Amino acid sequence: AQSVTQLGSHVSVSEGALVLLRCNYSSSVPPYLFWYVQYPNQGLQLLLKYTTGATLVKGINGFEAEFKKSETSFHLTKPSAHMSDAAEYFCAVSETRDDKIIFGKGTRLHILP
Amino acid sequence: GAGVSQTPSNKVTEKGKYVELRCDPISGHTALYWYRQSLGQGPEFLIYFQGTGAADDSGLPNDRFFAVRPEGSVSTLKIQRTERGDSAVYLCASSLMGQGAGDTQYFGPGTRLTVL
Repeated sequence: AQSVTQLGSHVSVSEGALVLLRCNYSSSVPPYLFWYVQYPNQGLQLLLKYTTGATLVKGINGFEAEFKKSETSFHLTKPSAHMSDAAEYFCAVSETRDDKIIFGKGTRLHILP
Repeated sequence: GAGVSQTPSNKVTEKGKYVELRCDPISGHTALYWYRQSLGQGPEFLIYFQGTGAADDSGLPNDRFFAVRPEGSVSTLKIQRTERGDSAVYLCASSLMGQGAGDTQYFGPGTRLTVL
């Protein structure tokens, strides 16, 4: 069965600092991996996804994530945090033969001025 | 173009009542999904439609929950004999093809259900 573990339910970084949100997954078959963002009072929005090919995936708003099969990880990074990045971030996995997405519990990112 | 829309945005009901939640997917999307998000949790899969048929309903918690998509477009999630534990935000998503293709799922704003 698939599962996702997000380390840290809350992460605080200073404006301009590196953002690192950690995600580990388990899957019995090659996975599809996703990061979604949920801004206050808004719906889920896809930041980026990995399906096949290049393991470093670039997404919207300057975010990127690297699929590391050996570590079963898909950590999300952004070189320089902006106040507008404050939101809840969800890592998610689905299997290549399946369509249901399994979400992690989420990490709330706080940006300190 | 228009995104996924859900109605109502908020629904308050009493324990034991019946509710229907509606989802209008993006035009032309063949796959439609329902998820439930409880407070402080990530979305939890409920059911997935490919066209008119339910391809995977393994996430429905019990037989009080039922969903339909009769014409392959709009879907309705139906909850009978609501319980306080059903209170959550119900999310709908659609994707172009589904079928294990890793399609992007586009989410609606959700319906917040409160069972008193």
